[in-house]
Amino acid sequence: QVQLVESGGGLVKPGGSLRLSCAASGFTFSDYYMSWIRQAPGKGLEWVSYISSSGSTIYYADSVKGRFTISRDNAKNSLYLQMNSLRAEDTAVYYCARAPYSSSWYDCWGQGTLVTVSS
Amino acid sequence: EIVLTQSPGTLSLSPGERATLSCRASQSVSSSYLAWYQQKPGQAPRLLIYGASSRATGIPDRFSGSGSGTDFTLTISRLEPEDFAVYYCQQYGSSPFPFGQGTRLEIK
Repeated sequence: QVQLVESGGGLVKPGGSLRLSCAASGFTFSDYYMSWIRQAPGKGLEWVSYISSSGSTIYYADSVKGRFTISRDNAKNSLYLQMNSLRAEDTAVYYCARAPYSSSWYDCWGQGTLVTVSS
Repeated sequence: EIVLTQSPGTLSLSPGERATLSCRASQSVSSSYLAWYQQKPGQAPRLLIYGASSRATGIPDRFSGSGSGTDFTLTISRLEPEDFAVYYCQQYGSSPFPFGQGTRLEIK
């Protein structure tokens, strides 16, 4: 079945770095556009970043631009989020999500991985 | 950048009642590129509606979406106990792809 599984979350100090991964299975990963979306504790959903199926088009939210880098490895069916210069306000559950088209809804979500930025 | 504002923030209704949730955009959403998601505590969001009015696979027909331009509505015709959750709208026509702040649907 279609599945997205995030990993790599954890506790990190302010200014530190973390790399999140999202392993995809049950579908042709290279056909789909992918995003990272986060949710701070008790808060709403915040779109973070988007990458096209080939990796040629990338977008970021202003709140993470210059600090986060999205990438994918279609041979490994994996999506990544490199997070640098982390701040307390980056504390959230990070979800990866699948979009079937370039301008598209998210039809499949992972269960999320928690990132906590604290000293 | 499009900003989505959902109302009300919290909606208190009883099972069997009709729920009407609103999502207003700060500028027109191109081609009705608007989706609705449901999220229950401790779970990932689930897609309900895309293209403003198309139900996702497996979504009961008591859920319906409508609207265009800047005003969109999610309607749940007869609330079931499992429908009490938080609902988010999202525009996906042009980057960034923001979500609304959510409407919490609670049991009265």
